[in-house]
Amino acid sequence: RKEVEQDPGPFNVPEGATVAFNCTYSNSASQSFFWYRQDCRKEPKLLMSVYSSGNEDGRFTAQLNRASQYISLLIRDSKLSDSATYLCAPRGGNNRLAFGKGNQVVVIP
Amino acid sequence: DTEVTQTPKHLVMGMTNKKSLKCEQHMGHRAMYWYKQKAKKPPELMFVYSYEKLSINESVPSRFSPECPNSSLLNLHLHALQPEDSALYLCASSQGLAGVGSYEQYFGPGTRLTVT
Repeated sequence: RKEVEQDPGPFNVPEGATVAFNCTYSNSASQSFFWYRQDCRKEPKLLMSVYSSGNEDGRFTAQLNRASQYISLLIRDSKLSDSATYLCAPRGGNNRLAFGKGNQVVVIP
Repeated sequence: DTEVTQTPKHLVMGMTNKKSLKCEQHMGHRAMYWYKQKAKKPPELMFVYSYEKLSINESVPSRFSPECPNSSLLNLHLHALQPEDSALYLCASSQGLAGVGSYEQYFGPGTRLTVT
């Protein structure tokens, strides 16, 4: 099993709709999780940190399911500017981040 | 705007050249990282520095040589690279390696390297 698995998509979402996707991880010892947003040919930008069961920031909600070892990201009221790749990164020892391949989101007008 | 800066933005080098990538952070962070990212792949960790000491080397070939002159600066010296080393090289920093609130890593804009 890969350390971090994400469905690359693309997830085509009508503007204003809700989209959600999961990230599964294999390291049961991971305690912290991060979602990054990466635009084409740009650096990853930190979107959200998750230290407990979940986190919410405006239209973005992350939920952690430790029993099933996955973390989800939900985007409500999608905007055109939300089009990007969303990278999941569980934290390992020595602050290693194990990035998934990302979920590509395309918001359609 | 990112508070991690990287120079140069783009670099083209031959296989016999020696060049250096530079990274600077202005957040008072004590941990700094080098990642390599190929097209349509996730970032891969190369090196981690904590308090200016090398903490992790992810079995990176010796043609990549990191250096941390002080807590704000991180260099990556390149020598005798191969065309397959062409990638986006990202620098990141975090407050530290341990303790909640220390973990968040912030990335610089990267150096796009092409080896010819």
